[in-house]
Amino acid sequence: GENVEQHPSTLSVQEGDSAVIKCTYSDSASNYFPWYKQELGKRPQLIIDIRSNVGEKKDQRIAVTLNKTAKHFSLHITETQPEDSAVYFCAASPNGGSNYKLTFGKGTLLTVNP
Amino acid sequence: DAGITQSPRHKVTETGTPVTLRCHQTENHRYMYWYRQDPGHGLRLIHYSYGVKDTDKGEVSDGYSVSRSKTEDFLLTLESATSSQTSVYFCAISLGSNTEAFFGQGTRLTVV
Repeated sequence: GENVEQHPSTLSVQEGDSAVIKCTYSDSASNYFPWYKQELGKRPQLIIDIRSNVGEKKDQRIAVTLNKTAKHFSLHITETQPEDSAVYFCAASPNGGSNYKLTFGKGTLLTVNP
Repeated sequence: DAGITQSPRHKVTETGTPVTLRCHQTENHRYMYWYRQDPGHGLRLIHYSYGVKDTDKGEVSDGYSVSRSKTEDFLLTLESATSSQTSVYFCAISLGSNTEAFFGQGTRLTVV
């Protein structure tokens, strides 16, 4: 099955700096790559996603890049703010007929220091 | 927020007792999932369903069973709870492949 590795496990940045979180996946059939943000005590919520026919996607301060050849994708947050502090999860999913499994990485705890 | 509700939100149970967690959705989404979240392990898939009476195992399915007799309800049962099943359990729903998964509020289960 799919295996998703996520790095780093913790990341501390100063407010205004950029943050980058990287993920690799194992199943070449995976073609959907979402990123979730989970604030303390809350449920995970989607912040951005990318599909395999696109190499990069941007939404304001957040961007995701995908390299299918190397099987890795990354989340970029620019001009970080204290409210960006949370755990971020990457995930991967194949488009496999009637079945659909979303496999998550282990998460990155991002701390933005004022 | 998507119409997805988990019950109970908190539960403390004794080792060896059966426990059932309920996930209820009002979105008519085809796919439903149960994940457990533990420190250092992220979100791990327990079981998922791709339709009424259609379920399959995830990566950590041992000790868990599920049932989906109606589109809106997906039940997770621990037949005989163990301390290793102490965790936060999240239900999620999605329309299908390449679409956003919406999570419930989570259930904190403690097995003593």
